[in-house]
Amino acid sequence: DGGITQSPKYLFRKEGQNVTLSCEQNLNHDAMYWYRQDPGQGLRLIYYSQIVNDFQKGDIAEGYSVSREKKESFPLTVTSAQKNPTAFYLCASSGQFYNEQFFGPGTRLTVL
Amino acid sequence: QKEVEQDPGPLSVPEGAIVSLNCTYSNSAFQYFMWYRQYSRKGPELLMYTYSSGNKEDGRFTAQVDKSSKYISLFIRDSQPSDSATYLCAMMRSGSEKLVFGKGTKLTVNP
Repeated sequence: DGGITQSPKYLFRKEGQNVTLSCEQNLNHDAMYWYRQDPGQGLRLIYYSQIVNDFQKGDIAEGYSVSREKKESFPLTVTSAQKNPTAFYLCASSGQFYNEQFFGPGTRLTVL
Repeated sequence: QKEVEQDPGPLSVPEGAIVSLNCTYSNSAFQYFMWYRQYSRKGPELLMYTYSSGNKEDGRFTAQVDKSSKYISLFIRDSQPSDSATYLCAMMRSGSEKLVFGKGTKLTVNP
């Protein structure tokens, strides 16, 4: 089955801790994206990558970091510098048509 | 003014009703117009997209784009309880890699 997996589904973190969210895809897509969704809000772009070993900041990159060492994987680290990290995090990927993005099931991060 | 505006609702309709969901936008450079459906606590799924102006139909769903008015619509015919979800519009400029999303409209179809 081709698709995007995100883990874990739920994540709890204490204030001041870094945490890494996993995103893997087996769709052979070059482009991958991380979004954040808050209640009643649309999706806001954190980081995106069009190719291995390259990535760009989105609209709300502060307090986040990413890496793209493999085509299939695009992990997101939420650092302690992120002021309000509690949110639903969504990973997506796309092939040659950037408008056709396919999403994973999401990770719900709660900071205690 | 936000680039993409979408009424968050909530919208509640009886089963079988025709549903109209809408977004307006301010950036005339948008060329790709997408509709995503998101069930509660799940990732969004792409329903359909339209390039530039015009209509597109897929089963019970019809997407319309009116670039002169900067207005897009999604119509759902014969709505079903399984259509209950949040519907997100998204837009993209030609040559861009980034989507701009509306806030989503929460729809409930009552049996």
